[in-house]
Amino acid sequence: QQQVKQSPQSLIVQKGGISIINCAYENTAFDYFPWYQQFPGKGPALLIAIRPDVSEKKEGRFTISFNKSAKQFSLHIMDSQPGDSATYFCAASTTLKNYGGSQGNLIFGKGTKLSVKP
Amino acid sequence: NAGVTQTPKFQVLKTGQSMTLQCAQDMNHEYMSWYRQDPGMGLRLIHYSVGAGITDQGEVPNGYNVSRSTTEDFPLRLLSAAPSQTSVYFCASSYRRANTGELFFGEGSRLTVL
Repeated sequence: QQQVKQSPQSLIVQKGGISIINCAYENTAFDYFPWYQQFPGKGPALLIAIRPDVSEKKEGRFTISFNKSAKQFSLHIMDSQPGDSATYFCAASTTLKNYGGSQGNLIFGKGTKLSVKP
Repeated sequence: NAGVTQTPKFQVLKTGQSMTLQCAQDMNHEYMSWYRQDPGMGLRLIHYSVGAGITDQGEVPNGYNVSRSTTEDFPLRLLSAAPSQTSVYFCASSYRRANTGELFFGEGSRLTVL
């Protein structure tokens, strides 16, 4: 059972365009939704994250939009650049109240390979 | 500042052989985990540890063994390698009680089982 569904699998965007990657989740106990960026030959790295008490979070050209009722969240990359070409993973986890409020294990989507053409 | 260090970066095994993937972190993180990454499958959790002496299974634990004798090290053992275990393996760590939940990943170990 795939708990976090990510689409599209691949995405080609022109330089300066907007890249949009979507994720949907099933478990309503999820309360932490990060996005990770991975370049070839490297490990994933945290890009931006959101909690369900806000509907949007923006950091530079990267924005997460969150729709709690629809159980969906998305990553928007404004003014996409060739250097943004990478694989992006959405993820979700729950807060472990029995462990001092720390986050539980991350469940990842299958990833989106973004190519930004110059 | 080393972060999360994985060795080896590349390994070729024959079916039935055993080996250990090493993972070490120098950030004093309580939480450590192992993921495998396969094309089109994303990252799947194999085993994780919330502190020295404590380990638990993730989504795909079969064929793998772990131990956590120190805070710094979290080795992953393949008991009898199978071609289905051909994958890229990532070790990750985080503060156990971090509000952000940010995972810090190593650069991966690419394993091929013939």
